[in-house]
Amino acid sequence: KQEVTQIPAALSVPEGENLVLNCSFTDSAIYNLQWFRQDPGKGLTSLLLIQSSQREQTSGRLNASLDKSSGRSTLYIAASQPGDSATYLCAVIRSGGYNKLIFGAGTRLAVHP
Amino acid sequence: DVKVTQSSRYLVKRTGEKVFLECVQDMDHENMFWYRQDPGLGLRLIYFSYDVKMKEKGDIPEGYSVSREKKERFSLILESASTNQTSMYLCASSRVGTSPTGELFFGEGSRLTVL
Repeated sequence: KQEVTQIPAALSVPEGENLVLNCSFTDSAIYNLQWFRQDPGKGLTSLLLIQSSQREQTSGRLNASLDKSSGRSTLYIAASQPGDSATYLCAVIRSGGYNKLIFGAGTRLAVHP
Repeated sequence: DVKVTQSSRYLVKRTGEKVFLECVQDMDHENMFWYRQDPGLGLRLIYFSYDVKMKEKGDIPEGYSVSREKKERFSLILESASTNQTSMYLCASSRVGTSPTGELFFGEGSRLTVL
């Protein structure tokens, strides 16, 4: 059974720091991995999608990497800003899994001025 | 721009009432999903649909049903609401086909309180 774990559960950093959020999964037979952002009381916003054949994806200050063999993904946020404060979730789609995502519990990020 | 719209952001219902949560997407996506999100339990899949009139149970379908009469619309139905169905409900959609596939797009969520 696929399990997705995110570490740390919460993180508080000063503005301007570069930071790394971690996501690990137990079954390497994944179709893709997706990172989301969720603001309090809101839905999820897709940040980056990495296909299983890819190693990384970049969007602005965000960079996500994928290492299927070790069952890990990282989300790197450069030069963090208070507006980055949110919960970040990763999710994987199991190969042949009808596009059903398995979610991690998320990392709650607070960036203070 | 990609758009998934949930008709109600906040609802308050009484125990035993029938509740309809509506979701519409404008991206011509084949797949649509209903999740609920609870503190400490994360996101759990209730039902999903991969085509019109097709549906499959997710991880926690008990107490819920769904309807997909048109490709763009996916409804979640609580036949007789109970207090343990108080939650945030999230609708999502994704497309099938050429790469990139499987990218999920979410609506803003519907927060349901059952008294």
